[in-house]
Amino acid sequence: GAVVSQHPSRVICKSGTSVKIECRSLDFQATTMFWYRQFPKQSLMLMATSNEGSKATYEQGVEKDKFLINHASLTLSTLTVTSAHPEDSSFYICSAPGPAYEQYFGPGTRLTVT
Amino acid sequence: AQSVSQHNHHVILSEAASLELGCNYSYGGTVNLFWYVQYPGQHLQLLLKYFSGDPLVKGIKGFEAEFIKSKFSFNLRKPSVQWSDTAEYFCAVRVSGGYQKVTFGTGTKLQVIP
Repeated sequence: GAVVSQHPSRVICKSGTSVKIECRSLDFQATTMFWYRQFPKQSLMLMATSNEGSKATYEQGVEKDKFLINHASLTLSTLTVTSAHPEDSSFYICSAPGPAYEQYFGPGTRLTVT
Repeated sequence: AQSVSQHNHHVILSEAASLELGCNYSYGGTVNLFWYVQYPGQHLQLLLKYFSGDPLVKGIKGFEAEFIKSKFSFNLRKPSVQWSDTAEYFCAVRVSGGYQKVTFGTGTKLQVIP
């Protein structure tokens, strides 16, 4: 099946710094990718939809200036958490849709902001 | 906007017991329905999906789900669970024909006791 990778798998950064998370579709092209945030014991919260060659679409309540998304190619989307704060600590997951609208998920990135 | 409810947050079963996890959605139109599973330490994987046709859908590892349109439900079932089924299960809904956005339920953590 289709494979989506994420890098890094975990990152620890200091408050005020920026962190970039990469999401790659390894064996298929994805014009659209999704970025989720998963809180402990809660569901996945869709943050934004990344569109290759155009601006990302953000969900209500998600700060676009804080969570910068760039979909530079058909296999790569990046999420940059700018000026990170401890409340941004979370598990970030990306996904890409398959031909039948099923989602292929990356393994996730654990971000800890100290 | 569509929403998804999973009423069982944590289910504990003994091996060989039967499983049914509830999923209800709220949307009046045509939907695509999914169940995803997240095994400990692993990323989300598709278990099964319903698009149209036979409302009883069979997935991997002996799981099945039944779409009951009148009840807006898509419950997941397995006649006899195994210890290896211990995982978190997420129901998800996508509005058919529209944007690819998928809405997830809050998840049900299944613990199977040997």
